Amino acid sequence: GENVEQHPSTLSVQEGDSAVIKCTYSDSASNYFPWYKQELGKGPQLIIDIRSNVGEKKDQRIAVTLNKTAKHFSLHITETQPEDSAVYFCAASIPGGGADGLTFGKGTHLIIQP
Amino acid sequence: DTGVSQDPRHKITKRGQNVTFRCDPISEHNRLYWYRQTLGQGPEFLTYFQNEAQLEKSRLLSDRFSAERPKGSFSTLEIQRTEQGDSAMYLCASTRGAGNYNEQFFGPGTRLTVL
Repeated sequence: GENVEQHPSTLSVQEGDSAVIKCTYSDSASNYFPWYKQELGKGPQLIIDIRSNVGEKKDQRIAVTLNKTAKHFSLHITETQPEDSAVYFCAASIPGGGADGLTFGKGTHLIIQP
Repeated sequence: DTGVSQDPRHKITKRGQNVTFRCDPISEHNRLYWYRQTLGQGPEFLTYFQNEAQLEKSRLLSDRFSAERPKGSFSTLEIQRTEQGDSAMYLCASTRGAGNYNEQFFGPGTRLTVL
């Protein structure tokens, strides 16, 4: 089955600096890659996603890049703010078999230092 | 608030008891998913429904776990004979339409503690 690896597990950056989180996936048939932000006591919330036919997508301070050949994708947050502090999860679609769920990475705890 | 609600938010039970959780998806969403999230991990996909049909259940953790969505609206997840290893957050998500290009909206989760 699909396996998603996510690094780093914890990332501390100064407010205003950029943060980068990286993920790799194992199944080349995966075709959808969302990123979720989870705050304490809440469910995950989608912040950006990318399909396999696109190499890069940007939404204001957030961007995602996808390298299908290398099977890795990354989240970039620029001009970080205190409210960006949370746990971020990457995910990949589970291909085949009629399943339509997502396989998640283990998460990155992003800490924005004031 | 995503519009997906789950009840209860917290459940404490003794080992061996049965528990049932409820999920109410966004009203026009026909796909509903259940995930389990343990401490320090990402959500783990368990099962999903297209309307009232359960299209994937091979990933349910054991035969003690079952899920229903009888009228294609709300769903329930039941765990029979709970074990301490079942302690986790159980998340529900919903989406409109088929295919996995659609955003999954997650509820706040039900945190289960098995004593």
